[in-house]
Amino acid sequence: GESVGLHLPTLSVQEGDNSIINCAYSNSASDYFIWYKQESGKGPQFIIDIRSNMDKRQGQRVTVLLNKTVKHLSLQIAATQPGDSAVYFCAESYSSASKIIFGSGTRLSIRP
Amino acid sequence: EAQVTQNPRYLITVTGKKLTVTCSQNMNHEYMSWYRQDPGLGLRQIYYSMNVEVTDKGDVPEGYKVSRKEKRNFPLILESPSPNQTSLYFCASSFLGYQETQYFGPGTRLLVL
Repeated sequence: GESVGLHLPTLSVQEGDNSIINCAYSNSASDYFIWYKQESGKGPQFIIDIRSNMDKRQGQRVTVLLNKTVKHLSLQIAATQPGDSAVYFCAESYSSASKIIFGSGTRLSIRP
Repeated sequence: EAQVTQNPRYLITVTGKKLTVTCSQNMNHEYMSWYRQDPGLGLRQIYYSMNVEVTDKGDVPEGYKVSRKEKRNFPLILESPSPNQTSLYFCASSFLGYQETQYFGPGTRLLVL
């Protein structure tokens, strides 16, 4: 069936380095992709999104890249900080639907 | 403060004992949704509502009920809980058409013995 998944379940990064979290999706009909951050003990929080007619979008310290050819999505976090420690979920949606399909998540841990 | 609240935050119950998890939002959002989160499976949608008296099934609705009598409240009802409903539950809300940026509640951790 259709699915959204992640390449790696955990990622360890040195503080100050850039982090790259990857995600593969399989539904070619999806036209909207989202990244969420979930800190320990909290609900997910929207970070950034991108529509399928774009291949890059930047926010504050974060960049999302979309490669529709290989159905790949990535989240880049610049100058990773301890506060970036969390589980990151990619998710997909399509404009005709009223729901979002979440991936299984990647845990990002920061080494001091 | 704009927020989604859930109660209770933690609940231990026994098989078959009916329970309700409440969800309330103060942002006048039309769209509300319930998810369960299980290890390795991410978040899966249980039910959603696009407005008062309008509800629909998500991906895993079996064993759950919802109601939307008021715009701000969206309770999740487990008529006869079973151990496979042990999970972490999240309620979320957003303006209609902006589900991607939905606000999530703090979660309710449920253990069914």
